[in-house]
Amino acid sequence: GEDVEQSLFLSVREGDSSVINCTYTDSSSTYLYWYKQEPGAGLQLLTYIFSNMDMKQDQRLTVLLNKKDKHLSLRIADTQTGDSAIYFCAESGLGSNYQLIWGAGTKLIIKP
Amino acid sequence: DTGVSQDPRHKITKRGQNVTFRCDPISEHNRLYWYRQTLGQGPEFLTYFQNEAQLEKSRLLSDRFSAERPKGSFSTLEIQRTEQGDSAMYLCASSLGLTGRDTEAFFGQGTRLTVV
Repeated sequence: GEDVEQSLFLSVREGDSSVINCTYTDSSSTYLYWYKQEPGAGLQLLTYIFSNMDMKQDQRLTVLLNKKDKHLSLRIADTQTGDSAIYFCAESGLGSNYQLIWGAGTKLIIKP
Repeated sequence: DTGVSQDPRHKITKRGQNVTFRCDPISEHNRLYWYRQTLGQGPEFLTYFQNEAQLEKSRLLSDRFSAERPKGSFSTLEIQRTEQGDSAMYLCASSLGLTGRDTEAFFGQGTRLTVV
């Protein structure tokens, strides 16, 4: 079956940029998503990118997609303490019958 | 519309008891999904509905689990004869449809089940 992988932790200093990486296996992936989950809260869609795009920017968030390498990244500029959360990468496409395939999540830790 | 809502938020039950959770999706959304999430893991797909039809069930879903969406609106997930391994957060999500931006899934806050 299709798979999505992420590193489990990322630690950055407040004010620095955070880059969270994700790799996936679905060659027919159509949509790729980044979700944020704060402690005790549900999953919140942060942003998504269509597979024919290389980059998408939305305020402090920049998503980069390298379709050849099946690599997705989320860059958070000027990381704040409120950005502390678990960030999940997910993809959907023909290979998964358009079901969301999820990574295990990257916990972003902000150091003062 | 206040988004996807789930009830209850928390449920503690004794092993062997049956539990039922409810999910109310965003009103115009055709697709409804159930996921299970354990600590340190991403959401694990359980099943989904297109309107009232249950189109897919995960192989992980044992016969003790059943889900319904009788009128294509709210959905229930029932777990019979609960086991301690069923302890998890049960998430419901809905999306408008299959293509384009319609695939964007909106999640509820989840129901945290603890089996003691």
